[in-house]
Amino acid sequence: QSALTQPASASGSPGQSITISCTGTSDDIGTFDFVSWYQNKPDKAPKLIIYDVYQRPSGVSNRFSGSKSGKTASLTISGLQAEDEADYFCGSYTSSSTPWVFGGGTKVTVL
Amino acid sequence: QVQLQESGPGVVKPSGTLSLTCAVSGGPVSTHNWWSWVRQSPGKGLEWIGEVSHTGDVTYNPSLKSRVTISVDSSKNQLSLTVNSVTATDTAVYFCARANDGYSHFDYWGQGTLVTVSS
Repeated sequence: QSALTQPASASGSPGQSITISCTGTSDDIGTFDFVSWYQNKPDKAPKLIIYDVYQRPSGVSNRFSGSKSGKTASLTISGLQAEDEADYFCGSYTSSSTPWVFGGGTKVTVL
Repeated sequence: QVQLQESGPGVVKPSGTLSLTCAVSGGPVSTHNWWSWVRQSPGKGLEWIGEVSHTGDVTYNPSLKSRVTISVDSSKNQLSLTVNSVTATDTAVYFCARANDGYSHFDYWGQGTLVTVSS
């Protein structure tokens, strides 16, 4: 069982928007604004797409956006494209026994 | 552009030792960053294993601490992971990753290497 909870899968048609949730605790997402999101494609290195809840690294499409409310962070992919098919996992700094916790990952399918 | 590449045996026997290396290119490991190992077991989420600084300071996940060693070699620009007394539950894809300067996220990852514990 992962420290952060994500839905196992999400899907949408091209052009639609989807939102993936990531639920933590008061030790991590509920206290710190150090939530990050990563895109993981087969045989590729995970790619940082959102950091510090809503910041986008240079070069990342503005179709990706992040937010947080309480102990739940969210990643929204707007204008879904075929190239967005991938696993997405969240991460957070935590004050618990380890400095980092991650979600189980959400497999995004473009229908 | 910093790149990380994990390498090591794909199969390890039960009770044996898992040893992996993460080669860093495009920048030195001797920066003010922390370098982590993270693993993902089949069908499960990611688990943080531990981290090392360029000075060799280490922090481990308490659940693995008794079996894990992480080190950094600045001369070879690489970091290493050793896990002793492995069992089938150690079967996973192992990633190395770099925490950013502000220690708020991981800005670079390796593509991961699958290690299977099997006789």
